[in-house]
Amino acid sequence: DTAVSQTPKYLVTQMGNDKSIKCEQNLGHDTMYWYKQDSKKFLKIMFSYNNKELIINETVPNRFSPKSPDKAHLNLHINSLELGDSAVYFCASSQDYGSDEQYFGPGTRLTVT
Amino acid sequence: SQKIEQNSEALNIQEGKTATLTCNYTNYSPAYLQWYRQDPGRGPVFLLLIRENEKEKRKERLKVTFDTTLKQSLFHITASQPADSATYLCALDRNSGYALNFGKGTSLLVTP
Repeated sequence: DTAVSQTPKYLVTQMGNDKSIKCEQNLGHDTMYWYKQDSKKFLKIMFSYNNKELIINETVPNRFSPKSPDKAHLNLHINSLELGDSAVYFCASSQDYGSDEQYFGPGTRLTVT
Repeated sequence: SQKIEQNSEALNIQEGKTATLTCNYTNYSPAYLQWYRQDPGRGPVFLLLIRENEKEKRKERLKVTFDTTLKQSLFHITASQPADSATYLCALDRNSGYALNFGKGTSLLVTP
């Protein structure tokens, strides 16, 4: 059973388009995250949700909008895509915020042309 | 500003030797520190967590130390194997505790 799943795995799109990435976890965790890993492999937190409530919203352009319909899902919608948005986006979850280990999804490689 | 520094260069070692990876941090007072493994094209996988009041933690061939005075963690893999080849990421809790800040990782290559 996949613990944290993301769709799609690859996403190629043109500048200016709007796209969504979906994330689901079947671990019963309360906290979910979105991270961005750029071309230099640096993994950076974008958003954190606890029990469907937004906890962290890093300095991310407001073109990025997360949505958590329930505790098991955290989707990421991106408007007006730019070249600089090209990266690998990882969804993760943990039992609770704080000191729990995080479980990562396989990542979505977004390429904006 | 807060910084997490890991060996930027790849670490190449021979099979059977002990690999030691370093994580240094500044302007943090972390309650805990975590180590993750990342293989190409995959998400990070949790390995070990060590709390600020713990000096050392072990799990099978892995050992982590945490020195809050030196602001440093060392990650050891004993009797290394080619299958240990991966990028290893150090992560610290943010002051808010709601997410992790990751270092850039150290690439480890274990050759037969």
